[in-house]
Amino acid sequence: GDSVTQMEGPVTLSEEAFLTINCTYTATGYPSLFWYVQYPGEGLQLLLKATKADDKGSNKGFEATYRKETTSFHLEKGSVQVSDSAVYFCALGPRGGATNKLIFGTGTLLAVQP
Amino acid sequence: DTAVSQTPKYLVTQMGNDKSIKCEQNLGHDTMYWYKQDSKKFLKIMFSYNNKELIINETVPNRFSPKSPDKAHLNLHINSLELGDSAVYFCASSHSGTSGNIQYFGAGTRLSVL
Repeated sequence: GDSVTQMEGPVTLSEEAFLTINCTYTATGYPSLFWYVQYPGEGLQLLLKATKADDKGSNKGFEATYRKETTSFHLEKGSVQVSDSAVYFCALGPRGGATNKLIFGTGTLLAVQP
Repeated sequence: DTAVSQTPKYLVTQMGNDKSIKCEQNLGHDTMYWYKQDSKKFLKIMFSYNNKELIINETVPNRFSPKSPDKAHLNLHINSLELGDSAVYFCASSHSGTSGNIQYFGAGTRLSVL
């Protein structure tokens, strides 16, 4: 079945460091790909998405490119801030339709130190 | 206004009790979900309703029964609570057929079974 694999955390970085969180997927068909972020004590929020190969999703300085050839959707940010500390989830889902089941990776905790 | 709201935020109860969690969305979406997040932050879908009809029912004990009185509400009733039910339960909603299928999450209900 479909699945998502994320790098295990925690990832600990100093402020202004470069961030990469790896995500690879296995899926039939052509899924949409997402990064969600969960700040402490809160629900998940969509960070960015891409719906087809070579699309780049971006938001708040974060970017991820849908790579069909490597089945990857790695999250990157050039300069992290303390406020980016959160758990990041990679997810895949169908492009549309009623059966809108998201499959999540295990989440990666990011801790940014001042 | 909160887009997806869940009540209660915290729920502490004894083993064997029956409890309910309520969810409401004011986004006009036609699909709603329940997810369970365990202590390791792993997030797994439990149920999904589209236009008040059950469309996703993962392998969840019969003690869990979702109910959708209308498109804006999806409640979760749990009978005979067990220690292993302790988790954070998230409600989410989306609009079916939309490319990219963005799901919007509530803030979660932290259930502790003693």
